[in-house]
Amino acid sequence: EVQLVESGGGLVQPGGSLRLSCADSGFTFSTYWMDWVRQSPGKGLEWVANIKQDGSEENYVDSVKGRFTISRDNAKNTVYLQMNSLRVEDTAMYYCATGYKAYWGQGTLVTVSS
Amino acid sequence: QAVVTQEPSLTVSPGGTVTLTCGSSTGAVTSRHYPYWFQQKPGQAPRTLIYDISTKHSWTPARFSGSLLGGKAALTLSGARPEDEAEYYCLLSYSGPRVFGGGTKLTVL
Repeated sequence: EVQLVESGGGLVQPGGSLRLSCADSGFTFSTYWMDWVRQSPGKGLEWVANIKQDGSEENYVDSVKGRFTISRDNAKNTVYLQMNSLRVEDTAMYYCATGYKAYWGQGTLVTVSS
Repeated sequence: QAVVTQEPSLTVSPGGTVTLTCGSSTGAVTSRHYPYWFQQKPGQAPRTLIYDISTKHSWTPARFSGSLLGGKAALTLSGARPEDEAEYYCLLSYSGPRVFGGGTKLTVL
């Protein structure tokens, strides 16, 4: 069964960078598209980015294009979200999820504040 | 990017039936949007109930079902229970990018 564990969240100043990781302890990671989803405090879910099984295709929500980069390492069963030029409005719980069937992790909290 | 619309709030009586819908600004929702439905309770991560219009996970209670209805994706809850009170989100795919609806707050009262 898919088990996803996110890490890398924390407090960062506006303009700073963070790299989130999401590791899958299962054996089917390389067969899934992978998504990152976020939820700002008290708000709804927002899809952020996804990446194809072999990393050959990436998609992003407009608000993060040019600032965030999704990548994956199938040998490590891990997907990453590199977040640069962070803004206060990027403050959220960040979840990873499989692109198919949507298995979710428990999330990692990113706080952007001075 | 597309806008996905859901009812902001709905109320259902215990034991009653309610249908939540999910529409797309680009037109009718079809199987090519691969509709998903999620349930989220306060303080918890989302939980996937339905994927690909109507397929359930092993943990999805039988009282939940998914369909396409009148150009929208639909989630029907038959026989509502107090523990079904939650926020429900739909997700649509647009040939790569995906968009969540704004969520429906379901009250069982």
